[in-house]
Amino acid sequence: AQTVTQSQPEMSVQEAETVTLSCTYDTSENNYYLFWYKQPPSRQMILVIRQEAYKQQNATENRFSVNFQKAAKSFSLKISDSQLGDTAMYFCAFMKHVPGGTSYGKLTFGQGTILTVHP
Amino acid sequence: NAGVTQTPKFRILKIGQSMTLQCTQDMNHNYMYWYRQDPGMGLKLIYYSVGAGITDKGEVPNGYNVSRSTTEDFPLRLELAAPSQTSVYFCASTSGTYRGGYEQYFGPGTRLTVT
Repeated sequence: AQTVTQSQPEMSVQEAETVTLSCTYDTSENNYYLFWYKQPPSRQMILVIRQEAYKQQNATENRFSVNFQKAAKSFSLKISDSQLGDTAMYFCAFMKHVPGGTSYGKLTFGQGTILTVHP
Repeated sequence: NAGVTQTPKFRILKIGQSMTLQCTQDMNHNYMYWYRQDPGMGLKLIYYSVGAGITDKGEVPNGYNVSRSTTEDFPLRLELAAPSQTSVYFCASTSGTYRGGYEQYFGPGTRLTVT
């Protein structure tokens, strides 16, 4: 079974600054996907960014980027130029992948990190 | 295109009552999921389905039942509600394909309180 750990229950950052959220995971699988989801106060879950484990290049989506360290089983999220709208709970999630088959897409979530962006 | 819709948004149940949480998606996704989110915690998988007529248990299935008679609908049934089932329930769906990036699309959630 997989486990996902987010060791920072809460983080805060000033508007326009950069913040990094940490995530570690434990798995014996070699093929998997990692995700960061955002949950604002509206409660809606929104995908921020995804990383394929077999790709060494770190994923980026505009102001969001990841630092994926496969050997260390670490997957941190960096938010640059933080905006007030980034205030949310952020979840790291793991999905086992079966190449050519089906992983059923099941996600294992971490406990979440509440990020507050201050003006 | 409404995505994933859930009803109701809020519900208060008395201990021992039963109810069904409704979930519908209009994206023709084969894969659907039910998660629960306890206060301050991450989401835990209750049940999932890989297509009409096929369902399986997730991490925390006790006290729940599901059915999947159509591609669009995936209702979650709570029998004999207990205070431990107080939570926010999310339904999600995905195409389950590489092209789709394996992204799961979530409904807005149902906040359930059992007293």
